[in-house]
Amino acid sequence: SSELTQDPAVSVALGQTVRITCQGDSLRSYYASWYQQKPGQAPVLVIYGKNNRPSGIPDRFSGSSSGNTASLTITGAQAEDEADYYCNSRDSSGNLVVFGGGTKLTVL
Amino acid sequence: EVQLVESGGGLVQPGGSLRLSCAASGFTVSSNYMSWVRQAPGKGLEWVSVIYSGGSTYYADSVKGRFTISRDNSKNTLYLQMNSLRAEDTAVYYCARGVGWFGVFDYWGQGTLVTVSS
Repeated sequence: SSELTQDPAVSVALGQTVRITCQGDSLRSYYASWYQQKPGQAPVLVIYGKNNRPSGIPDRFSGSSSGNTASLTITGAQAEDEADYYCNSRDSSGNLVVFGGGTKLTVL
Repeated sequence: EVQLVESGGGLVQPGGSLRLSCAASGFTVSSNYMSWVRQAPGKGLEWVSVIYSGGSTYYADSVKGRFTISRDNSKNTLYLQMNSLRAEDTAVYYCARGVGWFGVFDYWGQGTLVTVSS
């Protein structure tokens, strides 16, 4: 299997833009998906594929990818965006799924 | 409305077994790929297993040979049979519905806690 690497913690001032990254060899072949998880709650899908948002996800969330790095960008971060964010992707075999270690986002 | 409700978690001794259930409503489990994902206390998400609509199954190396994923189409329910449990299997276990290409999980249950301890 392969690994996905995320920065453990990132902070952003209220209303500013923040990028959360996810690195891994499998991202050269497969898109990442991104999940938001707040304390005591189940994860919520926020971005998948090239740059797709499920219904109900604000358009301030966007995704991009280049080489072995996928990025989740929040443009105009809100207080309610404070959460843990996880990326995932298929592994290099294509048959398994790997998650990144997660990034704790603090909105100042 | 899509809903996933897990049950079956609890306290079990090392080496013991447990079967988790995930009752689905609002869609048919056999029409989607379904996965189990776990989260140890204070830790990140770890993918555990998948069952495809065609019935193929795959497992993370950490549980291969000990866990078995299955489904009952008549009950629209997903299962995870966990044998030879270890302390490191302690986690909240989520079932999740897959959509589109593999790895995209659009609906998650609320999770059920499994504690492996003597």
